[in-house]
Amino acid sequence: GQQLNQSPQSMFIQEGEDVSMNCTSSSIFNTWLWYKQDPGEGPVLLIALYKAGELTSNGRLTAQFGITRKDSFLNISASIPSDVGIYFCVNGGATNKLIFGTGTLLAVQP
Amino acid sequence: DTGVSQDPRHKITKRGQNVTFRCDPISEHNRLYWYRQTLGQGPEFLTYFQNEAQLEKSRLLSDRFSAERPKGSFSTLEIQRTEQGDSAMYLCASSLTGLASYNEQFFGPGTRLTVL
Repeated sequence: GQQLNQSPQSMFIQEGEDVSMNCTSSSIFNTWLWYKQDPGEGPVLLIALYKAGELTSNGRLTAQFGITRKDSFLNISASIPSDVGIYFCVNGGATNKLIFGTGTLLAVQP
Repeated sequence: DTGVSQDPRHKITKRGQNVTFRCDPISEHNRLYWYRQTLGQGPEFLTYFQNEAQLEKSRLLSDRFSAERPKGSFSTLEIQRTEQGDSAMYLCASSLTGLASYNEQFFGPGTRLTVL
């Protein structure tokens, strides 16, 4: 079945550092989404990407849809303590169901 | 607050009991989804509705699970004869069709089920 592999699995950084995480797929997709999940809460949509090569920003977050349509990355600049959480790359498409990646746990030390 | 809401937020039950969860989607959204998330994993798709019609069900949804969306607004997810393996976070999401952004699903806070 479809698998989305995220790396790194976890990151422990200092406040103010930049963060980069990526996601690779064995299949081609038309949509990449990035969600963040805080403990005990539902995932929150951060960025949606719809075209290969597309680069989109949302505040300190920047994400890109890889040209091969099999990968995506998410960058967070100048991290702050509230960036802590699990970041999921997600594929969407004609099947309507979202397929979540393995997740990247981010910890930010003040 | 006009986001997706779920009730209850937490449910503890004994094995063999039936439980029912409710989801209220964003009011203008016509699609509603249920996902299940176990510890350390990402959410997994269970089923979705477009208006009142249930259009897809995952094989994860055994015959002990049933979901309804009778008037195309709120939805309920019932689990009969609960088992310890049903312990998980049950998430509801909604989206709006007709736009290129239909994949942008908005999640509720989830219902955490613990089966003793």
